[in-house]
Amino acid sequence: ETGVTQTPRHLVMGMTNKKSLKCEQHLGHNAMYWYKQSAKKPLELMFVYSLEERVENNSVPSRFSPECPNSSHLFLHLHTLQPEDSALYLCASSQATGIYEQYFGPGTRLTVT
Amino acid sequence: DAKTTQPPSMDCAEGRAANLPCNHSTISGNEYVYWYRQIHSQGPQYIIHGLKNNETNEMASLIITEDRKSSTLILPHATLRDTAVYYCIVNTGGFKTIFGAGTRLFVKA
Repeated sequence: ETGVTQTPRHLVMGMTNKKSLKCEQHLGHNAMYWYKQSAKKPLELMFVYSLEERVENNSVPSRFSPECPNSSHLFLHLHTLQPEDSALYLCASSQATGIYEQYFGPGTRLTVT
Repeated sequence: DAKTTQPPSMDCAEGRAANLPCNHSTISGNEYVYWYRQIHSQGPQYIIHGLKNNETNEMASLIITEDRKSSTLILPHATLRDTAVYYCIVNTGGFKTIFGAGTRLFVKA
């Protein structure tokens, strides 16, 4: 595997379910990011991790819970979501925090029913 | 970070140069200009960035005006696979990145 991978690619969940999104980067980077992209809206930065430490929580509701166990893996734990949380969730990584050259994964298309 | 303004959409003929403008009139001295693109249903892809000087890589060229208030991304020979949304972002390098609406480029055969 190369670059940034995300699993699953598609996810349908009910509002009472608990699920997790997984991101893995094979680039040796130190920073990882979660973004949300809703239909016809710009990308929104959700969380930023640098060396496994969260450095940014961009006013994201607590029903989204990130976890970064090491610099190669990033999770987004989901619980009690709302239909308006349906979106494309993108993971990215970079050598260091900052926009420099961010490498994005293909995203997880989430549908909340 | 400074705000950017881009046209919502542009057309380009296949094989011709695509010139995508970006206005960033409030840019400050330590802010870089970055360009990314997002092909439908994929994650964004980094293209190029610059501070003052013009930059070129295998994908594109970035022309920044002398006063740094605007820039142009040039795809020298556009192909159908260059059809995408192109984002111009101004940032000091911090992690509070702001992706705007971008320019939707249509490359036509």
